[in-house]
Amino acid sequence: QKEVEQDPGPLSVPEGAIVSLNCTYSNSAFQYFMWYRQYSRKGPELLMYTYSSGNKEDGRFTAQVDKSSKYISLFIRDSQPSDSATYLCAMSPPSGYSTLTFGKGTMLLVSP
Amino acid sequence: DAMVIQNPRYQVTQFGKPVTLSCSQTLNHNVMYWYQQKSSQAPKLLFHYYDKDFNNEADTPDNFQSRRPNTSFCFLDIRSPGLGDAAMYLCATSRDDEQYFGPGTRLTVT
Repeated sequence: QKEVEQDPGPLSVPEGAIVSLNCTYSNSAFQYFMWYRQYSRKGPELLMYTYSSGNKEDGRFTAQVDKSSKYISLFIRDSQPSDSATYLCAMSPPSGYSTLTFGKGTMLLVSP
Repeated sequence: DAMVIQNPRYQVTQFGKPVTLSCSQTLNHNVMYWYQQKSSQAPKLLFHYYDKDFNNEADTPDNFQSRRPNTSFCFLDIRSPGLGDAAMYLCATSRDDEQYFGPGTRLTVT
């Protein structure tokens, strides 16, 4: 079993849809959880960063962590064509600084 | 704006010809990382520096080396590139747990 599992997609939705992206993990030591957005041929861009279970909201984005189920989610409301990208989840144990374990990424396509 | 800069953005090298990729940062972060990312795959950590302390991942080939002459700069040296080393190379920095990535250098090996 891989440490972090993420459905590669592609996930195709119409503009305005609510998008749900998910990752599961097996290492209970992971305490910090991040979502990165990566456009084609660009570097990953940090979108959301959470610590501990619960929700964190930033504009149209909500990150959710359920440590008991080892499951994290990213919700995108009112999706836009500009949201079309690959979304990578990443996580790390508490260590003072991070050595991240990434999921493979989910490709999201939002059509106008 | 504070940022992570990578040069060049695109690099073409010949099989076996040494190549150096560079990364600089204006964030004044103490940790710098090099990742390799192949198409449709997760970034794979090659090594990282915590200040001047070098940390190599166990499965990073000896063909890959790194130098960090000061806080702002970090270099990735590929001594004898093979066709399998064609990939996007990402530099990242962090102070705590949040990593910030540069735009990447896409390496082509002919």
